[in-house]
Amino acid sequence: DVKVTQSSRYLVKRTGEKVFLECVQDMDHENMFWYRQDPGLGLRLIYFSYDVKMKEKGDIPEGYSVSREKKERFSLILESASTNQTSMYLCASRGTVLDEQYFGPGTRLTVT
Amino acid sequence: GENVEQHPSTLSVQEGDSAVIKCTYSDSASNYFPWYKQELGKGPQLIIDIRSNVGEKKDQRIAVTLNKTAKHFSLHITETQPEDSAVYFCAASKDFNKFYFGSGTKLNVKP
Repeated sequence: DVKVTQSSRYLVKRTGEKVFLECVQDMDHENMFWYRQDPGLGLRLIYFSYDVKMKEKGDIPEGYSVSREKKERFSLILESASTNQTSMYLCASRGTVLDEQYFGPGTRLTVT
Repeated sequence: GENVEQHPSTLSVQEGDSAVIKCTYSDSASNYFPWYKQELGKGPQLIIDIRSNVGEKKDQRIAVTLNKTAKHFSLHITETQPEDSAVYFCAASKDFNKFYFGSGTKLNVKP
């Protein structure tokens, strides 16, 4: 079974803090993704990575950065958290292009 | 970019009835259309998908139809059961990397 784990289920941070969200997959997948999920907006792609140290911007990269130093781990970084980044963050991984995306359980981040 | 619209936002059906969720997309280059089910406290899970060279696909009680001309696709669930209660998302993609999701449909199946 593919497993995608996220470091925290719930996180509360203060405005201006640097926030790290970690995602680990155990299936040796090349592709990893970060989405944010907001009510009424569905899922929106923040960044994705198709290989170690490789990344591409999604539709809403502003205010975020990512890091992929190892194949199994993909980190989302909020350099200076703001209240409008309060959201559910979902990580996903995928093997080849024809494989399905496997999602982690999500991290609900609240920025106060 | 692609714009995917999904309706209805909520759907309540009696157990055993059918449920239909509809999505439209704007980019005619989109060629892959997955549907995801998200249960409470979990990430979305793929339940069925369809590619643009196919008009319909069925998997037991779930079916998806695609009308490329009209740029819409639909999810059909027959003989609904309480465990079908969840949020369902449609998505569209043309490169299998960027997926554009609909806003979600909360399905409630009443026993």
